[in-house]
Amino acid sequence: EAGVAQSPRYKIIEKRQSVAFWCNPISGHATLYWYQQILGQGPKLLIQFQNNGVVDDSQLPKDRFSAERLKGVDSTLKIQPAKLEDSAVYLCASSLGPAGVSYEQYFGPGTRLTVT
Amino acid sequence: QKEVEQNSGPLSVPEGAIASLNCTYSDRGSQSFFWYRQYSGKSPELIMSIYSNGDKEDGRFTAQLNKASQYVSLLIRDSQPSDSATYLCAVNCSQLIWGAGTKLIIKP
Repeated sequence: EAGVAQSPRYKIIEKRQSVAFWCNPISGHATLYWYQQILGQGPKLLIQFQNNGVVDDSQLPKDRFSAERLKGVDSTLKIQPAKLEDSAVYLCASSLGPAGVSYEQYFGPGTRLTVT
Repeated sequence: QKEVEQNSGPLSVPEGAIASLNCTYSDRGSQSFFWYRQYSGKSPELIMSIYSNGDKEDGRFTAQLNKASQYVSLLIRDSQPSDSATYLCAVNCSQLIWGAGTKLIIKP
């Protein structure tokens, strides 16, 4: 069974530029999550999709971050404009069902973003 | 605010010994509990999940849950250098709340 796919793996941009990340979840997984992980910290949930609907985006900085999951499969996360503090690893995860139940989450390899 | 607490470490354990990692959580309504392993520069990998009080064993790993004390632990028997990683505790209470992780170092 193929795992969660993400691209690109690494990205370096200057502040105020824009960037987009792509994620393809495990086949059949209805729930998709985007996390931000800063070195030395646990993952921070940015947004959770159930199929193509948003379940939780309470910690998404909506003035600069946006995400979509058209057709309920793959997803893109965009940052525009980027700030220095956005330097982090962006992780995509998927699960069979919603986090409010007990479904285990599986992570992609992540995208390491550096903003200079 | 819902919280998950872990000692950041590093926790240093000799090869072959038992490594014991601990996690406490604040929400008494939490229903499911997960341990993830994260190697440096890699993404978190699920190693154990536990849903009811008591012990759950999987190979060299044992997860222990005590809901009354709001405490979950992970024991690694016969520790190997390859077990050196950061171990993240995650607790599910309508959403998954993450600890900051404990860095484990297994010394040969």
